Amino acid sequence: DTEVTQTPKHLVMGMTNKKSLKCEQHMGHRAMYWYKQKAKKPPELMFVYSYEKLSINESVPSRFSPECPNSSLLNLHLHALQPEDSALYLCASSVLGGPMNTEAFFGQGTRLTVV
Amino acid sequence: GDSVTQMEGPVTLSEEAFLTINCTYTATGYPSLFWYVQYPGEGLQLLLKATKADDKGSNKGFEATYRKETTSFHLEKGSVQVSDSAVYFCALTLSGYSTLTFGKGTMLLVSP
Repeated sequence: DTEVTQTPKHLVMGMTNKKSLKCEQHMGHRAMYWYKQKAKKPPELMFVYSYEKLSINESVPSRFSPECPNSSLLNLHLHALQPEDSALYLCASSVLGGPMNTEAFFGQGTRLTVV
Repeated sequence: GDSVTQMEGPVTLSEEAFLTINCTYTATGYPSLFWYVQYPGEGLQLLLKATKADDKGSNKGFEATYRKETTSFHLEKGSVQVSDSAVYFCALTLSGYSTLTFGKGTMLLVSP
């Protein structure tokens, strides 16, 4: 199983709402990532978790709050977002460590629209 | 810093034409190199990879060779199909976290 599953696929939320994006993988990967992708742009790294601990935060605004409750799950909690936060949010996972830099496996993404 | 440069798109081809998408990189160490493909409305799929110099990655008729001397990883396919229409991203990683540095992406449009 090389799947990373993200839910929901689409989400529309108001600027005062609180919502969560979910990501799950069962490949035994101990590194998990959130990326943000605006239209016609490459993905941009937001957060990296390794062994369920936050390792990298790319100066993301606090209205985005990541959480890694266990080695298979990754959440992104959203609160008080702005319309410019509308984007495709991609989750990815990878093997951690080892002699070579390995590939990341991506989910299908959550298309978020903030109204 | 590390960076990836790929050719601007869109690349427009007829079915069965030969495809080349150029990719060059700048990195302070010895990166692993990847090509990811993104079909409309979907996430990214790994197309192929190479982890050291002179490695050739291949998948679904696509190939790319890691050229350290020219810092390049050009994507090629001998005969494209309409179903290959997508955005192709060249990417590298240096860290143990597999955090990716992407090129800007190249849209490929293949007509029948």
